Amino acid sequence: QLQLQESGPGLVKPSETLSLTCTVSGGSISSSSYYWGWIRQPPGKGLEWIGSIYYSGSTYYNPSLKSRVTISIDTSKNQFSLKLSSVTAADTAVYYCARHLYDFWSGYCDYWGQGSLVTVSS
Amino acid sequence: SSELTQDPAVSVALGQTVRITCQGDSLRNYYASWYQQKPGQAPVLVIYGKNNRPSGIPDRFSGSSSGNTASLTITGAQAEDEADYYCNSRDSSANLYVVFGGGTKLTVL
Repeated sequence: QLQLQESGPGLVKPSETLSLTCTVSGGSISSSSYYWGWIRQPPGKGLEWIGSIYYSGSTYYNPSLKSRVTISIDTSKNQFSLKLSSVTAADTAVYYCARHLYDFWSGYCDYWGQGSLVTVSS
Repeated sequence: SSELTQDPAVSVALGQTVRITCQGDSLRNYYASWYQQKPGQAPVLVIYGKNNRPSGIPDRFSGSSSGNTASLTITGAQAEDEADYYCNSRDSSANLYVVFGGGTKLTVL
């Protein structure tokens, strides 16, 4: 059974960089069938897609966050990571990592991590 | 980028049928997928593609689409179906962007 687990600091200061890692177990992150990505959810609000990455390193980012987001992948560790720079209180959210599938007709996330709450505060 | 619009809240009597809708231009080209999220939990995929259910999802959940509107139908809603439901699709730009709807809070009366 595929499992994803987020890890990283739960508290980040304003203007600093948020960093999270997702460790994948029960399957290979190097599979050519999937992308791997991040979604966030501010407290009491809806889901916002952040971006995704392929095992080759190709990335796709939400245009509204693109200038501040970097997603990277480490196939040797079966992990992928998120960096979000210049954070403000508006970046406070539960951050989920998820496996993405794309085909000609759709794009969706079939496995999700449990989520990691990151609070931006001094 | 595209936007997907959902009604903020919908209610249904126990055992009745409810339809949750999602509207957006991207849905003219791409199927919606649907997620169920209960408080304090990660979202769970319940419908993907034309009308496919992942393993373990009850067959009372079904999906459909017409024009720019996608629908999630729950036939015979159960108390455990009370949750937030989100739609998503690929962005209409044809890049591998993903967009989510704002979510619908389903109350089972």
